[in-house]
Amino acid sequence: DSGVTQTPKHLITATGQRVTLRCSPRSGDLSVYWYQQSLDQGLQFLIQYYNGEERAKGNILERFSAQQFPDLHSELNLSSLELGDSALYFCASSVAGGGEGETQYFGPGTRLLVL
Amino acid sequence: LAKTTQPISMDSYEGQEVNITCSHNNIATNDYITWYQQFPSQGPRFIIQGYKTKVTNEVASLFIPADRKSSTLSLPRVSLSDTAVYYCLVGDDGNNRLAFGKGNQVVVIP
Repeated sequence: DSGVTQTPKHLITATGQRVTLRCSPRSGDLSVYWYQQSLDQGLQFLIQYYNGEERAKGNILERFSAQQFPDLHSELNLSSLELGDSALYFCASSVAGGGEGETQYFGPGTRLLVL
Repeated sequence: LAKTTQPISMDSYEGQEVNITCSHNNIATNDYITWYQQFPSQGPRFIIQGYKTKVTNEVASLFIPADRKSSTLSLPRVSLSDTAVYYCLVGDDGNNRLAFGKGNQVVVIP
């Protein structure tokens, strides 16, 4: 158990819909990262938040957005969902802002299925 | 961001030592080498991290030669539960992005 929690574990929805994934980092961790893992793309970095502020952006679509709240939990919002958005979404956290040598701890993931 | 090269897959018998090699010819001076393990439908799990020479923890050992252009993850006496994908990561792109490649699928055979 990494100490990172994610809800829900599974999510089934239809194309065009909007969903929200939630992540609680390990106690004391200030950074939250979101990753997407699909069969054909592997693990892709989406976005990082550090202490409430966006820190780094990866391959995140404009239809997706995220935020980190004062209690440091984070939400990833996915809208106008397409079939290709079906994937595992992982949240990770780290102690500080990231950088060399800083370990990221991953949550169990949310499996999203868009029908 | 230093690119890494790993074998796609490997099999090993239960009880054997497994050595997984990763090549990273373009590793930068300040890059750390980190290994993660991922079971199906689970998040990657940090295994070990090193900068040079040898690092050992309760799970694995990491051997890094002097030139740091490669590294070897050693798993002692593997069991069936060690069947997983193992990722070697080197540094990041300066923006904290962990770039996971294809990883190495290790299958432990009874």
